[in-house]
Parts: sequence; C-alpha cells; structure tokens
Amino acid sequence: TQLLEQSPQFLSIQEGENLTVYCNSSSVFSSLQWYRQEPGEGPVLLVTVVTGGEVKKLKRLTFQFGDARKDSSLHITAAQPGDTGLYLCAGIGGSQGNLIFGKGTKLSVKP
Amino acid sequence: EADIYQTPRYLVIGTGKKITLECSQTMGHDKMYWYQQDPGMELHLIHYSYGVNSTEKGDLSSESTVSRIRTEHFPLTLESARPSHTSQYLCASSESGTETQYFGPGTRLLVL
Repeated sequence: TQLLEQSPQFLSIQEGENLTVYCNSSSVFSSLQWYRQEPGEGPVLLVTVVTGGEVKKLKRLTFQFGDARKDSSLHITAAQPGDTGLYLCAGIGGSQGNLIFGKGTKLSVKP
Repeated sequence: EADIYQTPRYLVIGTGKKITLECSQTMGHDKMYWYQQDPGMELHLIHYSYGVNSTEKGDLSSESTVSRIRTEHFPLTLESARPSHTSQYLCASSESGTETQYFGPGTRLLVL
C-alpha cells in the first residue's frame, strides 16, 4: 500500500520565521500535489510537481520534488498569519489509481 | 475559484435517520469524488464517479451510497445514520485527463 507520510504533524511559529514541511514515501510517484486547507473549507491546490529534482516557486512558497520522486518538501519564507492552515500532499496511487493524501501538517503562524 | 457546492454545511442528526449530502459543480467536470476526513487524519476516498451512471467505491469502505444521474450532481446518502458516521465529508471534481481536484467546502456531520 502506498503511503505518504508528512512531518511535522503540527508546527507553530511566529510571523517572519521560515519553515519546511516534508512529504515522504517509500513508493515512486509520477507526480505529487500540495494542497492547503483552511478551517471550515475544502483543500485548494497550490502546486503539482512532476519531474524528479523539480523546484517550483509560488511567491514565498518553494516546492521541491525529490530526485527519486519519492519525496517532496514545502519551504515557506517569512511566514505570515495568512499562511495558517493544513498543508496536504497527495499523489496518484492506491489500488484504483486515485489520489491518496498524507495526514497533513497543521501550521499556525502567530502575529 | 472553483464552482463546487455542498449542502448542508453542518448537520446534527439522531441515530437511525436517513440523510442525503448534496454536491453540485458547474464546471462540467466528468469526474467527481467523495472523501471522508476526520480531525488530524488524511482524506479517505469513499466514492467516485467518472461520469453519468458511473459510480465506484473508494479505498475506504463506507456504508453510504451515491448516485450520478446528472453530470453536475453527485449526492451521497446514508440510509441509517450512526454515531460512527460522524465526520467531515468533502466532495471534489476534476476534468478528465487532469489530476487537479477542486473541492467543495465540506459537510460536517454529527450523529447523536
């Protein structure tokens, strides 16, 4: 069974700090997606990484896909309270080829 | 911004009641999905559909049923709700050939 393990599970930081969250698997994924979910809402796609070693930047967010396509990281520079939310990684897998999700990293950025 | 809607947003109901959670999308997407998400846990796929009259069970076994009579509508029904059904239910849709899923705001269900 393909699993996506995310770490840390919880992260509480002050505004202005940098942080990195991780998404790891023992399986190879053709691509990985990162979603952010705010309280009371559904997840919203941030980025899809498809090539091993790929780095994508979205303003203060930097996403990296591991060379072996088994892991990914999300780095946030100068975090802001608006970055608060649950960050989920997801990849195509499972017995039916649908998206499988990690448990997420719950980020809290305090002003 | 995604045009996918779920109603109700919150539902508190007694054991044994029949409930239907509504999900509609106006993007013309062929694929639709239902996920169950408990606090601090990952999303688990419970049902999906690749088009009208197509429904399949997901990776997580569920006592709920779904139907897809119209492209834009994918309701989920629980014939007899139980406390173990208490959870958040998220609906999503995607365009064929893409992996990006657009999620609704979810329905928080509490069965007493």
